Amino acid sequence: VQLVESGGGLVQPGGSLRLSCAASGSAFTSYWMSWVRQAPGKGLEWVANIKQDGHEKNYVDSVKGRFTISRDNARNSMFMQMSSLRTEDTAVYYCLGYTDAWTLDSWGQGTLVTVSS
Amino acid sequence: DVVMTQSPLSLSVTLGQPASISCRSSLSLVYSDGNTYLNWFQQRPGQSPRRLIYRVSNRDSGVPDRFSGSGSGTVFTLKISRVEAEDVGIYFCMQASHWPPNFGGGTKVEI
Repeated sequence: VQLVESGGGLVQPGGSLRLSCAASGSAFTSYWMSWVRQAPGKGLEWVANIKQDGHEKNYVDSVKGRFTISRDNARNSMFMQMSSLRTEDTAVYYCLGYTDAWTLDSWGQGTLVTVSS
Repeated sequence: DVVMTQSPLSLSVTLGQPASISCRSSLSLVYSDGNTYLNWFQQRPGQSPRRLIYRVSNRDSGVPDRFSGSGSGTVFTLKISRVEAEDVGIYFCMQASHWPPNFGGGTKVEI
C-alpha cells in the first residue's frame, strides 16, 4: 500500500488541524494504521494507532483527549483530528501502516505541523 | 514505557568495512504470541524512515543482504557487513511488543 499525507500547516497554540492519509494499492483493510511524528532534528515518536476495522484505537499519553484517530475503509483513508495544539506538537507527522505481526509496513512522506504564534 | 537504548550515538565507518549497532530494551520484547517485535529502520537525510528488518532478523524485500539483524529478549544488533556510501543516515530500532511502541534514539552513520 502507498500512503500520502496531507493537511499539515501552521496553526496557533490552542488551535486545531485535521491530518489525512490516503492509501492506494491493495488491501488497506489488512493494515493497522498509525501516526508517528518527528520533531525537528529529533527522533521518532509513536502518536496513535487504529485497528483494521476501526474499533480499537490507542493513543500515547501526551495526546490523549486532544487527538482523535479515525479511518474510512470505503475511502481507503485515515485521519487525525488534532485540537488544543501545543508548541511541542510541532513535528513532521508520518502515516504508517502495518499488517498483523508486522510482516508488511509502509510509510508516507510526512506532513509538517507547526504550532506557533 | 519500555526504554530503547541504542549505541553508539554516531558511527564513522570506512567504505567496505563492517558496522554494528546495538539496541537494548528495558523489558523483554517477547510478545504473548511468541514473536519478538523488534524492527530496524533507516532514515536517509530528508526522507521518511524505511524498514530494513522486522521481527529481529527478517530482511524486508529489496533490502541488500549486507544488512542483518540478530538478538533476543532485550539485546539486539543490526550489522552491515560492508558499508556503502548509500548507507549514510540514521538508524532506529523500534519495539512493538509493548504499548506504546517506541523507538531508540537513533544512530547516525557517516562515512
